[in-house]
Amino acid sequence: NAGVTQTPKFQVLKTGQSMTLQCAQDMNHNSMYWYRQDPGMGLRLIYYSASEGTTDKGEVPNGYNVSRLNKREFSLRLESAAPSQTSVYFCASSEDRDRQNSPLHFGNGTRLTVT
Amino acid sequence: AQSVTQLGSHVSVSEGALVLLRCNYSSSVPPYLFWYVQYPNQGLQLLLKYTTGATLVKGINGFEAEFKKSETSFHLTKPSAHMSDAAEYFCAVSRIGGSYIPTFGRGTSLIVHP
Repeated sequence: NAGVTQTPKFQVLKTGQSMTLQCAQDMNHNSMYWYRQDPGMGLRLIYYSASEGTTDKGEVPNGYNVSRLNKREFSLRLESAAPSQTSVYFCASSEDRDRQNSPLHFGNGTRLTVT
Repeated sequence: AQSVTQLGSHVSVSEGALVLLRCNYSSSVPPYLFWYVQYPNQGLQLLLKYTTGATLVKGINGFEAEFKKSETSFHLTKPSAHMSDAAEYFCAVSRIGGSYIPTFGRGTSLIVHP
């Protein structure tokens, strides 16, 4: 079982460049999430999608956009990358945002460096 | 305001010793509580969760945690550490403000010495 797949695994960007991080899940989950992980900061929610066709801002949405392409795929776009966006990005999915027994399933992350 | 506090960014134990990783939360409603583990260069994996029912929860790899409402705590323990337990551990809480989306603590790195 693939679970949650993220691409690419690594990326280096120059300030001002754009890119899209891809995420796909094969567990038929309704809800999907994008987090960033920074040393000493834990995981912070960027955006989430409770179900296909909906997206909402999380704790740190500035500088990012998302697209819930279909039930399987949820992409994160950086329109104009900044050094402050250097981080490890994790995509996650859960059966249903509003179900109490819905733990998150995580991908292996994308390590992004902005120079 | 921080809703999940993990005491100690690093915890160091000897192989075979007790593991205790601390997590305290603040929530105005009964919380749902999770512990996740992150091995190097991997995503997070669920160790265990508390939603309702028995307050002592057993998870994978011999870990367990106890929900103590009076202390607003959900500490993670393992009787005997193994070298393979070295990883980053995250406590997460949901239902803060009514939302089921979990809020994560800052993580505790467990170091196991031979």
